[in-house]
Amino acid sequence: LAKTTQPISMDSYEGQEVNITCSHNNIATNDYITWYQQFPSQGPRFIIQGYKTKVTNEVASLFIPADRKSSTLSLPRVSLSDTAVYYCLVGDGGYQKVTFGTGTKLQVIP
Amino acid sequence: DAGVIQSPRHEVTEMGQEVTLRCKPISGHDYLFWYRQTMMRGLELLIYFNNNVPIDDSGMPEDRFSAKMPNASFSTLKIQPSEPRDSAVYFCASRLEGGGGSPLHFGNGTRLTVT
Repeated sequence: LAKTTQPISMDSYEGQEVNITCSHNNIATNDYITWYQQFPSQGPRFIIQGYKTKVTNEVASLFIPADRKSSTLSLPRVSLSDTAVYYCLVGDGGYQKVTFGTGTKLQVIP
Repeated sequence: DAGVIQSPRHEVTEMGQEVTLRCKPISGHDYLFWYRQTMMRGLELLIYFNNNVPIDDSGMPEDRFSAKMPNASFSTLKIQPSEPRDSAVYFCASRLEGGGGSPLHFGNGTRLTVT
């Protein structure tokens, strides 16, 4: 299973764009890249998923370079309510043992 | 869709007591997962089921932990006897299919405190 590395924490001011990068050097050919968001006292919530290039939805964008060894979650114009922990997951390509790393704790500052 | 439903939301019990956590997955989802989250260890996968059958329980910490899924709409995680180090938030999650393109849907968890 591909291991992921992402920053432990980030701070951002309201209204700014936030980019969180995740490294996954051992990603397998059939692995997807998925990002989850977790607020205190809640379970993780699916944000976005991609396989290659760029994916955009109403919440975020996901940029994946051609070699797929990293990915960047982009949150446009963050607000205080975006303060949460963001997890990058790679897999499972047929496996079910999806492993969560330590995540990135994003603190949005007024 | 009501999402994944877990109960109770909070559980406080004394060491040595039996604890049962409950989960109702999203209807139609083939896979069910139990996770445990602590500050020290983060989110850990305990066990997962496919079509009600336990597939991998290698994450279950000890024989004191057991999980069942008697039907497609209900699963339990039991700890007997409970110990203070079992204190954590336990999450249940389900997914529609096994492929990587199917995201996990989590419940809001059960916060367990063992005194």
